Amino acid sequence: SQQGEEDPQALSIQEGENATMNCSYKTSINNLQWYRQNSGRGLVHLILIRSNEREKHSGRLRVTLDTSKKSSSLLITASRAADTASYFCATGLNQAGTALIFGKGTTLSVSS
Amino acid sequence: ETGVTQSPTHLIKTRGQQVTLRCSSQSGHNTVSWYQQALGQGPQFIFQYYREEENGRGNFPPRFSGLQFPNYSSELNVNALELDDSALYLCASSLEDPDTQYFGPGTRLTVL
Repeated sequence: SQQGEEDPQALSIQEGENATMNCSYKTSINNLQWYRQNSGRGLVHLILIRSNEREKHSGRLRVTLDTSKKSSSLLITASRAADTASYFCATGLNQAGTALIFGKGTTLSVSS
Repeated sequence: ETGVTQSPTHLIKTRGQQVTLRCSSQSGHNTVSWYQQALGQGPQFIFQYYREEENGRGNFPPRFSGLQFPNYSSELNVNALELDDSALYLCASSLEDPDTQYFGPGTRLTVL
């Protein structure tokens, strides 16, 4: 079963605009991560935010985490055509044999 | 590039057959995880190996099995293939802290 659920499922924007994706999860977490996947290929790690952090930046990426609402958001600023991909949030669970539990993803399309 | 490789890239099998997928992790990464990603879905955790021992398993039947070798390579074996096993299979390796995982490009398995 899925732990995280991304919203929206699909997002279409113009180059230069900002893109915001949201993720909700169900149980307590150690951390939450965001990954990008191009055309059904391997996933690329974007950013990790730990449960005691509220906001984190990496280049054009900004991630927030609200553990009280069990939600996170990923903001991509000044988007480019190369940002076109599927974006997944994933949570690491508080258990031995930590695994990543992924949501269904948001498909982002950036047109020039 | 994550330094994680998988083979083969694509594979076609028929129902009832057996398949072995291979993954080569980054040197020094002693944890490897395998995921199944059906079309339009997020990756689903199959199992994880740490220092050649299974270290956690998702909701997959015993016909999904694995091995990890001392040279940082690993295998995913699936017996008695079913049509629903058609998916992209991803391996991911990580250091002692498995929170940040580095994914390979995946193997696309089609079961006819």
